Amino acid sequence: DVKVTQSSRYLVKRTGEKVFLECVQDMDHENMFWYRQDPGLGLRLIYFSYDVKMKEKGDIPEGYSVSREKKERFSLILESASTNQTSMYLCASSSSTAGDRDTQYFGPGTRLTVL
Amino acid sequence: AQTVTQSQPEMSVQEAETVTLSCTYDTSESDYYLFWYKQPPSRQMILVIRQEAYKQQNATENRFSVNFQKAAKSFSLKISDSQLGDAAMYFCAYGAGGTSYGKLTFGQGTILTVHP
Repeated sequence: DVKVTQSSRYLVKRTGEKVFLECVQDMDHENMFWYRQDPGLGLRLIYFSYDVKMKEKGDIPEGYSVSREKKERFSLILESASTNQTSMYLCASSSSTAGDRDTQYFGPGTRLTVL
Repeated sequence: AQTVTQSQPEMSVQEAETVTLSCTYDTSESDYYLFWYKQPPSRQMILVIRQEAYKQQNATENRFSVNFQKAAKSFSLKISDSQLGDAAMYFCAYGAGGTSYGKLTFGQGTILTVHP
């Protein structure tokens, strides 16, 4: 089974702090994604990566950056956290070559609160 | 840009009954993938069912089946013999395939309540 793990289930930070959210997958997937989930808005793509050191902006990249130094790990960085970044953050991964290509597998999510 | 619309913010069903969740999408592509995901209250999102657009046969997974109408750009999920464990938020998603690097576009979600 594919396993996607996220470093924290719950996180509370102060405005202006630098925040790191980590995601690790164990299935050698090429693609990794970061979403935020807000009520009534569904999932919105922040950034994605299709290879090590490669990254692309999603629909709402402002205020975020990412890092992918190893294939299995994809980090989301909030350079200076703000209260409007309080949300649920979901990480996902997928393969571009397997029989279930493009099927995304999700981590458990991180509920981030910025005070 | 592709869009995915789930027009039912909330649905409810009695245990053992059947319920259908609606999803429409907009695309100019001919080859793509469609998905239904389930997010129970514990929040881990899991895949329910996957449909490849070039396949005319509707996908099924046990009690879950889809009605894929390519010309109408409709992709509804039918849950038969509903169980209490089916209560969750359900998301419809579209994937363009090709060189899209696996990006998916999600609908707004439908909250399904199952009454005993």
